[in-house]
Amino acid sequence: DSGVTQTPKHLITATGQRVTLRCSPRSGDLSVYWYQQSLDQGLQFLIQYYNGEERAKGNILERFSAQQFPDLHSELNLSSLELGDSALYFCASSVEGLADEQYFGPGTRLTVT
Amino acid sequence: ILNVEQSPQSLHVQEGDSTNFTCSFPSSNFYALHWYRWETAKSPEALFVMTLNGDEKKKGRISATLNTKEGYSYLYIKGSQPEDSATYLCASRDDKIIFGKGTRLHILP
Repeated sequence: DSGVTQTPKHLITATGQRVTLRCSPRSGDLSVYWYQQSLDQGLQFLIQYYNGEERAKGNILERFSAQQFPDLHSELNLSSLELGDSALYFCASSVEGLADEQYFGPGTRLTVT
Repeated sequence: ILNVEQSPQSLHVQEGDSTNFTCSFPSSNFYALHWYRWETAKSPEALFVMTLNGDEKKKGRISATLNTKEGYSYLYIKGSQPEDSATYLCASRDDKIIFGKGTRLHILP
C-alpha cells in the first residue's frame, strides 16, 4: 500500500458525459500527478500540481481539467467523454517534485460506452 | 532521440542469471530519470530517481547507472529470482514526464 488513495476504483459511463476522479496523496506529500494508461499506449503524463498550483503539463486534452485543493487532495475532471477516453487513470504523489520518488495509487478504471 | 525508448521490449532470463536492460532518453533539458517496477494488476513502484551524470544507485540485487551526456541509463538485476518478473519502466523528466514502453522481464524457473 503506497498511501495514495483513489476513488472510485471503477467507473462506467456513456459518451458525452462528465466524470470526476479523486486522489488523496500520501501524508506530507505536496505534489500530485495524474497519468493515463490506455490499451494502445503506454503510461502518459497528464498534469502535475504542487501545493495547489499547476507545476507541469503533459498531454492533457482540453476536455480534461484538474485541480489540487487546500487539503492537497486532487480531482481530475473529464468531460464530453469519448470511447477513446476509456483507460486506467493513475494518481501519484511525491514530497515535492522533480527528483523525488513518486508513489502511485491503485488507479481508477474508466470505461466509456 | 525525441522519445524515451527501452530495450529490449521483452526478456526471458533463467532464474539465478543476471540481466540488464536499457533506457534511452533525450539528453537536452534533462532533469531526472525515474525507474519503476510494475507488476501485472498492480501500480508502478518506484525503484530509483537519478539526476547526476555518472550516478549509480543500488537497492538489493537491483542497480542502475546514468549517463546524461549520451542520454541512457542501464538497469541491472543480479541473480534473478521469480519475484523479479515484472515490467520495468523508465521515465525522463524535463518540463514534463515521458515514459518508455517498458521492458517485460520473465524469470524462468
